[in-house]
Amino acid sequence: AQKVTQAQTEISVVEKEDVTLDCVYETRDTTYYLFWYKQPPSGELVFLIRRNSFDEQNEISGRYSWNFQKSTSSFNFTITASQVVDSAVYFCALSEPDKDSWGKLQFGAGTQVVVTP
Amino acid sequence: KAGVTQTPRYLIKTRGQQVTLSCSPISGHRSVSWYQQTPGQGLQFLFEYFSETQRNKGNFPGRFSGRQFSNSRSEMNVSTLELGDSALYLCASSTGGGVEGEQFFGPGTRLTVL
Repeated sequence: AQKVTQAQTEISVVEKEDVTLDCVYETRDTTYYLFWYKQPPSGELVFLIRRNSFDEQNEISGRYSWNFQKSTSSFNFTITASQVVDSAVYFCALSEPDKDSWGKLQFGAGTQVVVTP
Repeated sequence: KAGVTQTPRYLIKTRGQQVTLSCSPISGHRSVSWYQQTPGQGLQFLFEYFSETQRNKGNFPGRFSGRQFSNSRSEMNVSTLELGDSALYLCASSTGGGVEGEQFFGPGTRLTVL
């Protein structure tokens, strides 16, 4: 069963528009970690953020912000005032350490973001 | 600090051959995980090594194997290659657990099986 769902396959925006990427996860563990990674055309996955299940505080880092809501099992990601360099595939991932699987990230299918000038 | 390095970056093999991919983690990192990325299946976990021991394994056939050396460098091997093994193979390193456990990825090895 898919544990991380990214329902949006592709989102196209014009530069300076905001874009929100949805991520819904599924776990029975009380302790878990959620991640967002960016994969530009070069292929390397770039770490953006980690959030643990006990910290529901939203976070903002520059133009990036994250909204974590345990009640809806969602961890959404917003890029404010998008730029062409934001064009990439963005992955949401889940880690369930209670299963002694720190090294196992379960990824969603990814959302392709296309930002046009 | 140098990042995660993977060699080779590109590889072309034919069906039935075997291949070995290499990953050097960030200095001080003891955990190395491997992932396969294909257009159809997305990013899938292969296995994780920590202090030379396989700690976790994904749902892949026995043709996929790996190992980790005392210096934390890791290799993965795929025997009897099939067309479906064509993929981007990504390696990630981390300190090994706890709150420091986020994974940092290498550039990947793109394997093409003809």
